[in-house]
Amino acid sequence: GAVVSQHPSRVICKSGTSVKIECRSLDFQATTMFWYRQFPKQSLMLMATSNEGSKATYEQGVEKDKFLINHASLTLSTLTVTSAHPEDSSFYICSARVHGNYGYTFGSGTRLTVV
Amino acid sequence: GESVGLHLPTLSVQEGDNSIINCAYSNSASDYFIWYKQESGKGPQFIIDIRSNMDKRQGQRVTVLLNKTVKHLSLQIAATQPGDSAVYFCAEPNSGYSTLTFGKGTMLLVSP
Repeated sequence: GAVVSQHPSRVICKSGTSVKIECRSLDFQATTMFWYRQFPKQSLMLMATSNEGSKATYEQGVEKDKFLINHASLTLSTLTVTSAHPEDSSFYICSARVHGNYGYTFGSGTRLTVV
Repeated sequence: GESVGLHLPTLSVQEGDNSIINCAYSNSASDYFIWYKQESGKGPQFIIDIRSNMDKRQGQRVTVLLNKTVKHLSLQIAATQPGDSAVYFCAEPNSGYSTLTFGKGTMLLVSP
């Protein structure tokens, strides 16, 4: 149980375009989802916390107008990287906390390459 | 503020050896810790967790030790296998259990 599905697993886009990444909780309702970014050989850095039906909370230094987060339902959160640039190339990972449980479940990640 | 860090960035072992991965934390009020395994190109996978009211917890081939006096925890992997090769992170929830902070990670390389 507590499976999080993330798509796409890999995406290559041209500089200046936008890319949407989806994160779905398959067998539970996720009131809160988290978005992380991970550069090569580095740790996961929290970008933002998305709450169903309300605005996301962004970590310091993360541009909310560049990384648009939508959490319109209890099973889906999306991250849109707008006007992507090569420096946005990274591994993006979503996570959800299972309600009433201390566990955190992670998606399989999305490798974004901006060319 | 809270922070979680690791001592060793890379650990190379031979198959069959026991591996020990270390992690230090700074918040003495922390009461819950999680170890994750991340294989290349994948998201983190839960390995084992431990609460601060415990000093030791064992799983299948893995043991986590918590030393609250020196704010240190370790992950021990017994009879390490090539499939254990991955990056290992310790992680710590914030006080409200709303977010996780990850340590820097240790890459474990297991050679046959």
